[in-house]
Formats: sequence, structure tokens, C-alpha cells
Amino acid sequence: GNSVTQMEGPVTLSEEAFLTINCTYTATGYPSLFWYVQYPGEGLQLLLKATKADDKGSNKGFEATYRKETTSFHLEKGSVQVSDSAVYFCALSDVYGGATNKLIFGTGTLLAVQP
Amino acid sequence: GAVVSQHPSRVICKSGTSVKIECRSLDFQATTMFWYRQFPKKSLMLMATSNEGSKATYEQGVEKDKFLINHASLTLSTLTVTSAHPEDSSFYICSARGTSGSSSYEQYFGPGTRLTVT
Repeated sequence: GNSVTQMEGPVTLSEEAFLTINCTYTATGYPSLFWYVQYPGEGLQLLLKATKADDKGSNKGFEATYRKETTSFHLEKGSVQVSDSAVYFCALSDVYGGATNKLIFGTGTLLAVQP
Repeated sequence: GAVVSQHPSRVICKSGTSVKIECRSLDFQATTMFWYRQFPKKSLMLMATSNEGSKATYEQGVEKDKFLINHASLTLSTLTVTSAHPEDSSFYICSARGTSGSSSYEQYFGPGTRLTVT
């Protein structure tokens, strides 16, 4: 069945450091891929998504590229800020008619950015 | 826009009792709501999908008689954990999706409810 594997945390970085959080997936068909972020005390928020191979999703300085050949969707940011401290979830879904259906999540990676 | 709330945020109950968790879409109409469960250091697992006015569709291995889901209106879905036991202690998260063609045709998540069964 479909599954998502992402690197375990916590990831601790200094402000302005480069961030990579690895995510790989196993899926039949052509899933859409997502990164969600959960700030302390809040619900999950969609950070970015990509719906087909070679698509790059980007938002708030974060980027991830849908790599079908390596079944990966790694999250990157060139310069992290303290305010980026949160838990990041990689997920995949089948999308029909534009609707996101069942989401399959990775275990989440806690990012802690120190000033 | 697209805010989803959950109530309560935390609840402690005794074994054998039932607990109801509410999920509300505050500023859009949610034709579909999803209920997830998150174990410590594990990913979110989808429990069921509910469409307004119809029965919920449960994932394999989820007891529908234990986890009762009601989606009676376009802004409210409830999850009732019946005859709760300590192994039901978990973090329950809902998400809501708006109608096709709207700006809310995406899953928006609530902040979660921490259930502890003693």
C-alpha cells in the first residue's frame, strides 16, 4: 500500500542555516504530494504541494520538488528563522476532480531553530 | 479564512464512559470531514471520512460501533468514543473540506483534541 517515510527529528538548527527534511514515498499510480506544518498549539496547515512529477511546490521560502525517479519530495529552505520552529509532515494523496482525498502522512519531523 | 475548530482541546474521562468531540468549520461549508488519530511519535492515521447527511466511511480496522461519527450539518461533525478504554487515549484531529469549485476545496485541519482515559 501507499506509505510515506520521513526523517526522524528533532532537527536543531541555528538561525539562517540551510534546512533539508527528507521524505520518500511508496505509491501506486500518480499521487499528489504535500508538506504540512504544525506550529505549537495549532492545527496542521498546508505549506506546499505538488501534483505531478517534476513540479516544484514553494511557499514562505520553503521548496520541494516531486521526484518520481527517486520517489522523493524533500523539503528545503535556504535560511531558517526561529519562527519556522514547528513539526513538519510529509503526506501523499490521490486527488480526484481537484479534491484531496485520503491523506497518508509521515511521522512528522520536529524542527527547532535557535537564535 | 478556512478555519476549523475542535472542542474540547483536552478531555480526561473514566474508563467505560463516552466522550464526544466536536469539529466545526467556522467560515465555510464543509461537505466532507475527515477524522484522524495520532499516536505518540507516529503519523496521523485516517479513521473515517464523513459526508454531510450520509454515513461515515471507516478505514479498515476502525470499529464503527466504538467511534461514532455524525455529520449532521455543513459546519459540524462529531466523533463519539463509546465505552472508552485507556488504549483509546490519543490525539484526535479532524479536517474539513469545502464544496467543489470553492476556495475551500482543500483539507483544513483543526487543532486536535487530546483524550486521556483513566
